[in-house]
Formats: sequence, C-alpha cells, structure tokens
Amino acid sequence: ETGVTQTPRHLVMGMTNKKSLKCEQHLGHNAMYWYKQSAKKPLELMFVYNFKEQTENNSVPSRFSPECPNSSHLFLHLHTLQPEDSALYLCASSQAPEGGGYTFGSGTRLTVV
Amino acid sequence: TQLLEQSPQFLSIQEGENLTVYCNSSSVFSSLQWYRQEPGEGPVLLVTVVTGGEVKKLKRLTFQFGDARKDSSLHITAAQPGDTGLYLCAGGAGNQFYFGTGTSLTVIP
Repeated sequence: ETGVTQTPRHLVMGMTNKKSLKCEQHLGHNAMYWYKQSAKKPLELMFVYNFKEQTENNSVPSRFSPECPNSSHLFLHLHTLQPEDSALYLCASSQAPEGGGYTFGSGTRLTVV
Repeated sequence: TQLLEQSPQFLSIQEGENLTVYCNSSSVFSSLQWYRQEPGEGPVLLVTVVTGGEVKKLKRLTFQFGDARKDSSLHITAAQPGDTGLYLCAGGAGNQFYFGTGTSLTVIP
C-alpha cells in the first residue's frame, strides 16, 4: 500500500463508547497530524507528532487521546464523546521541517449518537 | 490563529466556463498551498507557491501568490466536471499550515 491509510472509513458510536481511529503512512514521512473537518468550518488542527513526539496539542478536549507508537502509525483514542464531536477526522503526514505538502488520508466519518 | 478567507464560498458553473477563486488574509505567509478535496476523500495537494508574485500553472489551473504573500488566487480555464470539489488554500507560518474556509465548486456538464 502507498500513501496514508485511515480506518475505519465510517464510525457510529454512542456517547459512552470507547473507540480508536487508526492511521498508517507508507511514505517515510516523519511528521503526522490529526485534523477535524466540520461543516462550514476550516480544517482544525488537533495534534502534531514529529519523530513520534507530540509537538502540538491545539487545546483539544481530553476525551480525544492521541498515540504515536512509531513514525508510521498514529491513533486517536475516543471516549465519552459528545454529539458535536461528529465530523470527518483526517490524518495527514509530511516531511518536516521542510514541510512541503501534506498527504492526507481519506478520513474517518464519525457520528456520535 | 491565522485566518484565511476564501471566496466565493460556493460556485456553480457550466462546463467550459472560466472561474477564479480567492484566498485572502491579513497575515503574511512563508508559503501557500492549494488542495482539492472530493466528496468522501481527503484533500489532495495541487501546488505550493513560496515567492511573492509567483505564478504556477498546472494544465488548466493557474495559481498566483500575492506580492505581499498575504493572498492567492486560483484560476481555472474551461472548467470540466472533473474539476468539481472543495478547493482549500493553506498558508504556512512557523511549523504549521492554516487552512482556509474553502470554495465548493460544482461544474455542470
């Protein structure tokens, strides 16, 4: 596989559930990101990892918990979410610090009921 | 937070028409990127511009970075249905890229 792969593509969860989103990149990039995309709002940066170290937490509620075991894998653990957390969650990778462009995955469409 | 406003927010045109979308900010960016996002998919990078006044062409798409590196435009010539999607600009500042509000383009056959 090439590029950035996200699973699952769709997820429906209750407010008391615990679930995890997975992201895997096969590009040899050293930086990975979680973004939230809601209707009528710009992409919101949630977390940044460089070389497995978290370098950015953009005031994200603690019910979202990221994990980066290595530079190719990124997880987003979810628990006790709210309906307003329903959104498209996008993972991206890039080669830092040169930046260049982000390569995005296809996203996980999350619905909290 | 660096705010990038894109206009128009929505655009629906006939196949073959030309169009321009804009990305404006009061902030200066070290670089600016344009992405296209199709329904159910993540954004795909189209171009990166880094120099004020720079113009890049990608087939029927022409990208320009403003002289002051605060704004950018995307011009599409002879639009095709395959151009349909959400166009996002992203300005680079520090170690981050800040995304614009997006322009949703529909090209009608």
